[in-house]
Amino acid sequence: QVQLQESGPGLVKPSQTLSLTCTVSGGSVSSGGYYWSWIRQHPGKGLEWIGYIYYSGSTYYNPSLKSRITISVDTSKNQFSLNLSSVTAADTAVYYCARGGPTGYDYHYWGQGTLVTVSS
Amino acid sequence: SYEVTQPPSVSVSPGQTASITCSGHKLGDKYACWYQQKPGQSPVLVIYQDTKRPSGIPERFSGSNSGNTATLTISGTQAMDEADYYCQAWDSSTAGVFGGGTKLTVL
Repeated sequence: QVQLQESGPGLVKPSQTLSLTCTVSGGSVSSGGYYWSWIRQHPGKGLEWIGYIYYSGSTYYNPSLKSRITISVDTSKNQFSLNLSSVTAADTAVYYCARGGPTGYDYHYWGQGTLVTVSS
Repeated sequence: SYEVTQPPSVSVSPGQTASITCSGHKLGDKYACWYQQKPGQSPVLVIYQDTKRPSGIPERFSGSNSGNTATLTISGTQAMDEADYYCQAWDSSTAGVFGGGTKLTVL
């Protein structure tokens, strides 16, 4: 059974970079056909797709966030990470990591989510 | 950019059938999937690739997708089905488009 667990600071100052890591167990980030993804949910709002890194290392980002996002993978630690730069209060949200594929971009496995608050 | 639209809320009586729609331009040409989210919990995939149910999802959950509309149908709705439901549309060029969510109330 694949499990994902987000980790990172719960509080980030405005203009700084939000950095989160997703640790994967029960599966490998190097396994073929999977999309290791980040999705967020603003308080009381709907889901917003952030982007993914494919098992091959290619990435695809939400166009509205693309200029501020980097998603990377560390195969030695079986982790993937999200960096979101120049954050504002509008980036306050619960951030989820999730695994998509192999049949498509549907997300069968999700982490428990971590709340990140942007505030000085 | 591609968008899909859901009704904000749907109400259903216990034991009845609930239908939640997701609308988008030529949505039937894409794949639709559905997530259930209860308060304080992560989303759970209940339908993928339009009509498929993941292991462990009750048979009362079903899906369809044609034309401009995808529909999640819950037959014999139970109190435990009260939750927010999100549709997601995707194809080879659209990775992650979520609807705004529908709050299902069972009363």
